[in-house]
Amino acid sequence: RKEVEQDPGPFNVPEGATVAFNCTYSNSASQSFFWYRQDCRKEPKLLMSVYSSGNEDGRFTAQLNRASQYISLLIRDSKLSDSATYLCVVGSFQKLVFGTGTRLLVSP
Amino acid sequence: GAVVSQHPSRVICKSGTSVKIECRSLDFQATTMFWYRQFPKKSLMLMATSNEGSKATYEQGVEKDKFLINHASLTLSTLTVTSAHPEDSSFYICSARHRDPSYEQYFGPGTRLTVT
Repeated sequence: RKEVEQDPGPFNVPEGATVAFNCTYSNSASQSFFWYRQDCRKEPKLLMSVYSSGNEDGRFTAQLNRASQYISLLIRDSKLSDSATYLCVVGSFQKLVFGTGTRLLVSP
Repeated sequence: GAVVSQHPSRVICKSGTSVKIECRSLDFQATTMFWYRQFPKKSLMLMATSNEGSKATYEQGVEKDKFLINHASLTLSTLTVTSAHPEDSSFYICSARHRDPSYEQYFGPGTRLTVT
């Protein structure tokens, strides 16, 4: 079983749509959780950290459920520029473990 | 945010040769640097953790004699792929972490290696 699992997609949505990504992780000792964004042939960039209380940054909302070992990312009012691969990342013992990513394609 | 550079950004080499990739933290001191590899449509896989002034810690399945890592200063780590083979062709990305223990890593732009 992979340490971090995501649906690879792609998710094809029109501009303005709301889209949600989910992620599960296997290591119950994991301590930190993140969503990264990666554009094609580029390095990953931190989108937001994820907390049990949930956190919101503009159109992006992230949620963590430790009991279910489940992380989510909600994107509202999708923009064309949101098209990218979204990586679920889990931190354990000072290391980051990356999911394979979920590809999002936002069309006009 | 903090800036991490990598050089070269792209390299093509012949099978059997060695390639060195540099990773620099430009505006902060990084006691720890990480080297990742990413194959097409796959996740980033941690290859090794590099601490300044000490030997790198390699992940299971990564050959330390093939992927030589040196972290001689707080701002520079190098990865040398020795005797490269076509299956080593990949996207190599480094990241650097501040002195303070945290999970926040700053990623370099990556190096695309093609071995012919």
